[in-house]
Amino acid sequence: GAGVSQSPSNKVTEKGKDVELRCDPISGHTALYWYRQSLGQGLEFLIYFQGNSAPDKSGLPSDRFSAERTGGSVSTLTIQRTQQEDSAVYLCASSLALGQGSEAFFGQGTRLTVV
Amino acid sequence: QQQVKQSPQSLIVQKGGISIINCAYENTAFDYFPWYQQFPGKGPALLIAIRPDVSEKKEGRFTISFNKSAKQFSLHIMDSQPGDSATYFCAARNQGGKLIFGQGTELSVKP
Repeated sequence: GAGVSQSPSNKVTEKGKDVELRCDPISGHTALYWYRQSLGQGLEFLIYFQGNSAPDKSGLPSDRFSAERTGGSVSTLTIQRTQQEDSAVYLCASSLALGQGSEAFFGQGTRLTVV
Repeated sequence: QQQVKQSPQSLIVQKGGISIINCAYENTAFDYFPWYQQFPGKGPALLIAIRPDVSEKKEGRFTISFNKSAKQFSLHIMDSQPGDSATYFCAARNQGGKLIFGQGTELSVKP
């Protein structure tokens, strides 16, 4: 596609439910990042992938959060047993490579609201 | 420690003035320093970026100044315009590819 696509754009879920957030990176981009942005806050690093491997999962807030990437393309971020503090905008970005000067392009984000 | 500290949190500048946003980092393994601009409801978009072997980079009205010894870098927006009003994020990427962002600066340019 022309850009990074995230779905859904908005998700309202009840506390305790599981949610899946999807990211379609730019075709050919090997690196993929997930960030969380709370209202008026910065971008909190969650996880990144190089191909299908995740070299750094240190940003995942708890074991309720997991992410996978298949075929070096689409990635899914899963939040189990959602809590109200999980409410935020979840942003995905992709880049051509992890090397210097490789720009990361962001999607529009998924706004998650846990009620 | 892989942190990037950004200041100020918010900034109000008159049209035509200079906007200056500062960032500092601790990890010398960072080797790429981009700045992103974010408008409400949109994802961040790359504005300008610099590598640590360069002390300054200018693109139009936007300039990055980089001080490797002080582990600091800054964004200068010359002749600031109301359309520049947005949130700006500095970032740093380490050699392994992890991209870490500052807390953001909300810039408001008054006409």
